[in-house]
Amino acid sequence: DTGVSQDPRHKITKRGQNVTFRCDPISEHNRLYWYRQTLGQGPEFLTYFQNEAQLEKSRLLSDRFSAERPKGSFSTLEIQRTEQGDSAMYLCASSLGGYAQYFGPGTRLTVL
Amino acid sequence: SQQGEEDPQALSIQEGENATMNCSYKTSINNLQWYRQNSGRGLVHLILIRSNEREKHSGRLRVTLDTSKKSSSLLITASRAADTASYFCAALKTSYDKVIFGPGTSLSVIP
Repeated sequence: DTGVSQDPRHKITKRGQNVTFRCDPISEHNRLYWYRQTLGQGPEFLTYFQNEAQLEKSRLLSDRFSAERPKGSFSTLEIQRTEQGDSAMYLCASSLGGYAQYFGPGTRLTVL
Repeated sequence: SQQGEEDPQALSIQEGENATMNCSYKTSINNLQWYRQNSGRGLVHLILIRSNEREKHSGRLRVTLDTSKKSSSLLITASRAADTASYFCAALKTSYDKVIFGPGTSLSVIP
């Protein structure tokens, strides 16, 4: 399968724990995006990379959130000291340049 | 980048009818994109229309762009129950802009 993959698909954690999500983009895509989506809302932009450089971070991304794309391929999104408000679907997408984005299936996070 | 605003927020139609959704934006754009999201899934890119294009077709989808009115519409013809989903537009100011999504239009196609 050459689509965008995300792992895990579901994560249940207790408040205060750290979680890490992984995204594997389409191999030739140089851009990688992270979004967060809550029920009934459109995806909210969190951050994006061009190759390994993180070009922009949303103000939504508090200092508990960190994202990396160390070799310009896969990316990780870590949330430290999770809070109940972090419960959401975390979506990853990739693109070649700034055109059509291809989304992964998402990681659903539930913080108890 | 800028957020597109979809209208209506919700739309319910009978199978076989056409569905029309609208998108408005505020500043000049390079391109406008439409995406679909089935419940609990990731988004799927449907179609991209560039600022110098007025209409584009893809299967049962027809997208129009009116840059003078800063609006776009997505028409789904002969709708099917499988078209039930949320539809989002995204307006990009440059080809290297990031995508920002609006709240979307929730379409229900009743069999």
